[in-house]
Amino acid sequence: DGGITQSPKYLFRKEGQNVTLSCEQNLNHDAMYWYRQDPGQGLRLIYYSQIVNDFQKGDIAEGYSVSREKKESFPLTVTSAQKNPTAFYLCASSTNTGYTEAFFGQGTRLTVV
Amino acid sequence: KQEVTQIPAALSVPEGENLVLNCSFTDSAIYNLQWFRQDPGKGLTSLLLIQSSQREQTSGRLNASLDKSSGRSTLYIAASQPGDSATYLCAQDGNTGKLIFGQGTTLQVKP
Repeated sequence: DGGITQSPKYLFRKEGQNVTLSCEQNLNHDAMYWYRQDPGQGLRLIYYSQIVNDFQKGDIAEGYSVSREKKESFPLTVTSAQKNPTAFYLCASSTNTGYTEAFFGQGTRLTVV
Repeated sequence: KQEVTQIPAALSVPEGENLVLNCSFTDSAIYNLQWFRQDPGKGLTSLLLIQSSQREQTSGRLNASLDKSSGRSTLYIAASQPGDSATYLCAQDGNTGKLIFGQGTTLQVKP
């Protein structure tokens, strides 16, 4: 089945630790995105990549880093510089040809302990 | 600043009712308007995508319309069922692929 796979589903981070969230897609999409969702709020864009080996900051990139070494993969690292990382993280992908429909993974819930 | 607003924030209806969810946006240069469904603790499921050149899209009991001149989109759900209970999100795309989301409408359909 084609789709987007995020792992793990739940992740716990200690203070001062970096953690990496995985996102893999087999839809052959060029573009991939990371969003953060907080209770009662809409989704906010963290980083996006429209092609391999290139990515841009979104609206709330501080404290996060990404890489795009393969078309299928777009991992997100939540660094210790992110002071309020507890949230639901969603990965998405789409084609890069205009009038594109975005597809989302099932999310990773990150909690600071 | 581009903004997307969804009203109401929450809605509770009896089973069988037809209902309308509203979405308004400030960017007249909209490229796409996409409606999603989100179940608690889950990711987003794409429901309908309306391109800027279109006025509406239909899928089963769902119909979404787009009026660029007024900056509004509506999602019409016919003959609502308890299984329709979820949060519905709209998002606009200005041809960058970067979706701007509203805060969602949480729908409860009572049996």
